[in-house]
Amino acid sequence: KAGVTQTPRYLIKTRGQQVTLSCSPISGHRSVSWYQQTPGQGLQFLFEYFSETQRNKGNFPGRFSGRQFSNSRSEMNVSTLELGDSALYLCASSPSTSGGYNEQFFGPGTRLTVL
Amino acid sequence: DAKTTQPNSMESNEEEPVHLPCNHSTISGTDYIHWYRQLPSQGPEYVIHGLTSNVNNRMASLAIAEDRKSSTLILHRATLRDAAVYYCILREVNNDMRFGAGTRLTVKP
Repeated sequence: KAGVTQTPRYLIKTRGQQVTLSCSPISGHRSVSWYQQTPGQGLQFLFEYFSETQRNKGNFPGRFSGRQFSNSRSEMNVSTLELGDSALYLCASSPSTSGGYNEQFFGPGTRLTVL
Repeated sequence: DAKTTQPNSMESNEEEPVHLPCNHSTISGTDYIHWYRQLPSQGPEYVIHGLTSNVNNRMASLAIAEDRKSSTLILHRATLRDAAVYYCILREVNNDMRFGAGTRLTVKP
């Protein structure tokens, strides 16, 4: 099976712009989670989608949003970019959302730089 | 949120076993203990998970204390490719994963 893919891999934007990142989960996986990784804050949970519905949300401002399509592909959007949004954005997929035992499969990430 | 505590860094010699500790004194009865690792320039990779009993897989072993307030990830023979940041995570029933700072493992040849 193909792994989790994320596009684009690298992105450079300027402050105030918006950006959309894409994630294609492993075939058959219905849960997609997003994380932000920075040197200062480490890996932080953004949100999780399952069957096109947001199931969980981390502590991020409303500028961070996401959605999931019927084929389980997911996008996240960041509006009005700030310098502090520069980070590695990771997507992870999982077969389901129930229980605490499911492992997550991570993609390689999208490196976003805000100038 | 239940929290985990890990040493910032550890060193090991190649071909020797490595024991990576994790404290989680506020764990709840339904929290699964997960371990992930992140190699340089890659996304995190699942290593192992357990609930109450010790677990083994092809990558590692997980030893869970009887009171579940601590656990240890065991790499039986460290290789240079095992150099990574290892995260111990308590996975809640609602599937949320909260990463801590992890332990940076250095493997010396």
